[in-house]
Amino acid sequence: LAKTTQPISMDSYEGQEVNITCSHNNIATNDYITWYQQFPSQGPRFIIQGYKTKVTNEVASLFIPADRKSSTLSLPRVSLSDTAVYYCLVGSSSGSARQLTFGSGTQLTVLP
Amino acid sequence: EAGVAQSPRYKIIEKRQSVAFWCNPISGHATLYWYQQILGQGPKLLIQFQNNGVVDDSQLPKDRFSAERLKGVDSTLKIQPAKLEDSAVYLCASSLTDSYPYEQYFGPGTRLTVT
Repeated sequence: LAKTTQPISMDSYEGQEVNITCSHNNIATNDYITWYQQFPSQGPRFIIQGYKTKVTNEVASLFIPADRKSSTLSLPRVSLSDTAVYYCLVGSSSGSARQLTFGSGTQLTVLP
Repeated sequence: EAGVAQSPRYKIIEKRQSVAFWCNPISGHATLYWYQQILGQGPKLLIQFQNNGVVDDSQLPKDRFSAERLKGVDSTLKIQPAKLEDSAVYLCASSLTDSYPYEQYFGPGTRLTVT
């Protein structure tokens, strides 16, 4: 079961690029890496998912090195509305419920 | 497309009382999840359904919690009797499948306060 470690909090300024790294040293061969965003009083929202190398969508990029022991969520040009908690999940289709238990996440605060 | 619906949004009960939460997933989504999120923590999966069958309920406290998904659509989560430590937000999520790659869609949650 791959345990994930993320920074508890990060601060950034509007317009900057933000990179949040998640460590998952014992990731398994079949595991995918998924990032969710959660605003106060809302359920988490899917951001991006990947297996290896780099994945990009309209809101973020996900960088996964060759050894897959970590991953980095990159948010380009953040705004105040990106202030939220960001969660990294690692799991596979054959995994247990514990893989779908989110860690404490990273509180990102974007400052004006 | 309508999102995941949950009701009620808020509930306050006294300990030892019973409570039920309802979830209506996105149409066509075969997989449904119930999570418990305690203040300051990430969501913890309680139970996962695939259609109307239970895939995983290993983290569901079965002495007081129960869940069902009749006809593979709506689902209810019940707590009987409630304890103070059950105070949390209960989130329902759904997905088309549970085979990666996939994404979960979450509802707004039900905030339960047990006094």
